[in-house]
Amino acid sequence: QSVLTQPPSASGTPGQRVTISCSGSSSNVGTNYVYWYQQLPGTAPKLFIFSNNRRPSGVPDRFSGSKSGTSASLAISGLRSEDEADYHCAAWDDSLSGWVFGGGTKLTVL
Amino acid sequence: QVQIQQWGAGLLKPSETLSLTCGVSGGSFTNYYWTWIRQSPEKGLEWIGEIDQSGSTNYNSSLKSRVTISIDPSKNQFSLRLSSVTAADTAIYYCATRVVGDYGFDYWGRGTLVTVSS
Repeated sequence: QSVLTQPPSASGTPGQRVTISCSGSSSNVGTNYVYWYQQLPGTAPKLFIFSNNRRPSGVPDRFSGSKSGTSASLAISGLRSEDEADYHCAAWDDSLSGWVFGGGTKLTVL
Repeated sequence: QVQIQQWGAGLLKPSETLSLTCGVSGGSFTNYYWTWIRQSPEKGLEWIGEIDQSGSTNYNSSLKSRVTISIDPSKNQFSLRLSSVTAADTAIYYCATRVVGDYGFDYWGRGTLVTVSS
């Protein structure tokens, strides 16, 4: 059971906008920054969003992050087939004094 | 370009000690945390712990009694030891780095599948 809660799956058609949610608590998402990682099959996770809504160099601006209270979201606009992957959220947890992750959301592009 | 290589035994018997090492090249490594994360179908991604350049460590409380992370700055290498493994420790183990501050885990190793089986 992951500390952060994500839906196990999400889907959309090419060109659509999809959002993936990440729910936590006051000790993690509510207090600290949220990070999002994309994981393609058979590869290591890759940082896609840091500090709630900032993109590392090379990440398309179709990807955006937001946070409100104890929930965060990753939005992908103009969905493309290459966006099909697992997406994981993460945050520092003050109560646990460690990093916690969501269970991951498998995004399918129909 | 930062590159991370990781190596270590992939098949262990219950009660043995897991030992993995990561080597980092291609960048400046001051102000970094050096981290171990594992992934299993049952638990998803799980942070194991991290160490900074000075050797100060921080471990997942659920694994703390069995985990040791060490660093050799002269070789740009850091290592993980997990003692008394069981089948529940079967996972892909990743090493990763993050800059001090709010920048996330920016560089990852390719992962090592560790299987614990009698």
